[in-house]
Amino acid sequence: AQKVTQAQTEISVVEKEDVTLDCVYETRDTTYYLFWYKQPPSGELVFLIRRNSFDEQNEISGRYSWNFQKSTSSFNFTITASQVVDSAVYFCALSEAVGSGGGADGLTFGKGTHLIIQP
Amino acid sequence: NAGVTQTPKFQVLKTGQSMTLQCAQDMNHEYMSWYRQDPGMGLRLIHYSVGAGITDQGEVPNGYNVSRSTTEDFPLRLLSAAPSQTSVYFCASSYPSTQGGTEAFFGQGTRLTVV
Repeated sequence: AQKVTQAQTEISVVEKEDVTLDCVYETRDTTYYLFWYKQPPSGELVFLIRRNSFDEQNEISGRYSWNFQKSTSSFNFTITASQVVDSAVYFCALSEAVGSGGGADGLTFGKGTHLIIQP
Repeated sequence: NAGVTQTPKFQVLKTGQSMTLQCAQDMNHEYMSWYRQDPGMGLRLIHYSVGAGITDQGEVPNGYNVSRSTTEDFPLRLLSAAPSQTSVYFCASSYPSTQGGTEAFFGQGTRLTVV
């Protein structure tokens, strides 16, 4: 069965610091998809990124970057020069190929990391 | 384009009452799912559907019932509410992505309290 572990329950940093959120996953499939979602205090889920298992290129989007390493089954998320607006709960999720089981969209979520950015 | 619409946004129920959480999507997506979010637990799959007339259980289905009579709607029924069902409920619709896997869209959530 697939599993996602976010070992950091809560992280608190001062604004402008860099912060990395860890995500470790388990799956038996060779084809799978990894996601990060942001849940701000308002409660909605905001999609941040999707990564396919066959694409190990790291990605940068503004202050956000993602490091995907299949060798360690990790998909870590770094925020550079953090801002108060980055305060949220961040979820890492894993989805196997459609038809592998695990539901319609097959998403398995980690328990989330609560990120607090102090001014 | 409304996307995924959940109603109500907030609800308080008494133990033993029944109710239906509504979920509607206007994107003609095949797949729809219900999740519950509890503190420190992430999102857990309750039920899902891969098309009209087809539903299946997820990780935590007990106490919930679903049906999918149309592509657009996927209501979640609480048969006899219990305090353990106090949670935030998210509905998602998704479609097979051209890049493989699926692309999921989430509703705004329904915060349910059972007293």
